Amino acid sequence: SYELTQPPSVSVSPGQTARITCSGDALPKQYAYWYQQKPGQAPVLVIYKDSERPSGIPERFSGSSSGTTVTLTISGVQAEDEADYYCQSADSSGTYGVFGGGTKLTVL
Amino acid sequence: EVQLVQSGAEVKKPGESLKISCKGSGYSFTSYWIGWVRQMPGKGLEWMGIIYPGDSDTRYSPSFQGQVTISADKSISTAYLQWSSLKASDTAMYYCARLWVAAAAGWFDPWGQGTLVTVSS
Repeated sequence: SYELTQPPSVSVSPGQTARITCSGDALPKQYAYWYQQKPGQAPVLVIYKDSERPSGIPERFSGSSSGTTVTLTISGVQAEDEADYYCQSADSSGTYGVFGGGTKLTVL
Repeated sequence: EVQLVQSGAEVKKPGESLKISCKGSGYSFTSYWIGWVRQMPGKGLEWMGIIYPGDSDTRYSPSFQGQVTISADKSISTAYLQWSSLKASDTAMYYCARLWVAAAAGWFDPWGQGTLVTVSS
């Protein structure tokens, strides 16, 4: 079945820019979405439709897409951004959804 | 305010059946797909399946087809996730979430608080 691939971990210092990638063959055809999950909490949507930001999400969160890869960028990373981040999309026909394996963002 | 409130934690034995629930409020329950997501201990999120309460149209991930049953009762704005015979490997946190836009190709927002299911002899 269809898979999305994320790096297991990304580390950055406060104030730097974090980039988390997500790769999948169907990403040119299907939108991608990004969620932030902190320990013991339910996931929270931070990006939808590749690059749209929901209300209430800080402007430092942005998304982009290029071919089979989508990227979540967090500019000026803050300590509170330390969390697991998951991308989500659908198979090429839109029959079922799938999550990436998740990326643990560590703020050094 | 849109809210999804899930039923409480469950402790079951292997082979038992279980049905957990997710009650929606603050929006037209029959107009949005609702999905279920599994998170095994220390692991990532897994897309299980979705249901459109308006007509009970249901879609499953290939990984979960035949393993669980998703249903809904629109009269009480509640979606369900059901097992007929639990296994230890079903131990996980299960989240429900409202889906936006195009069914399986849409995004989840908001999420329920999660239901922890523990299966142990």
